[in-house]
Amino acid sequence: AQSVAQPEDQVNVAEGNPLTVKCTYSVSGNPYLFWYVQYPNRGLQFLLKYITGDNLVKGSYGFEAEFNKSQTSFHLKKPSALVSDSALYFCAVRGTNQAGTALIFGKGTTLSVSS
Amino acid sequence: GAGVSQSPRYKVAKRGQDVALRCDPISGHVSLFWYQQALGQGPEFLTYFQNEAQLDKSGLPSDRFFAERPEGSVSTLKIQRTQQEDSAVYLCASSLTGVGNTEAFFGQGTRLTVV
Repeated sequence: AQSVAQPEDQVNVAEGNPLTVKCTYSVSGNPYLFWYVQYPNRGLQFLLKYITGDNLVKGSYGFEAEFNKSQTSFHLKKPSALVSDSALYFCAVRGTNQAGTALIFGKGTTLSVSS
Repeated sequence: GAGVSQSPRYKVAKRGQDVALRCDPISGHVSLFWYQQALGQGPEFLTYFQNEAQLDKSGLPSDRFFAERPEGSVSTLKIQRTQQEDSAVYLCASSLTGVGNTEAFFGQGTRLTVV
């Protein structure tokens, strides 16, 4: 069965500092991995995805994520955090042998960036 | 349309009442998903359509939940005889293809409160 773990309920970081939001996954076969962000009273917004190829993927708003197959991880990173990055972040996975089926989401990590 | 549109945005139902939630996906998108998001949790998969075909309904929690997409565009999620545990945000998402590496775009959700 597919699953996603986001081990931190909350991450706190000061503005201008680098941030990391952790994600590990379990899936049969190779994974498709996604990060989404959710602002209050808003739907989920797509940030970036890993399909194949370069392990470092770049996405919206200066975010990037690093795929590590041996550690089954896909951590979200940003070199310099902004207060406006404060939101709820979700990691999601879909197995490549399960085309067309649903993304499985983690429980989410609240990112709080202080000024 | 420009994005996924859901209506109503908020719904209060008395226990035992039937409700219908509507989703207008992005025009031309083949795949449509319904998710249930409880407070403080990640989205939980309910059901998936490819065009008008419901390919996966394994996440529907009971036979009180029913979804349809008769013409392969607009979808309706119906909940019969609502219970308090049905209170949640119901998210609809669509994606361009049925291929697993395609990201899904989410609507703002319908917040259902059963009293």
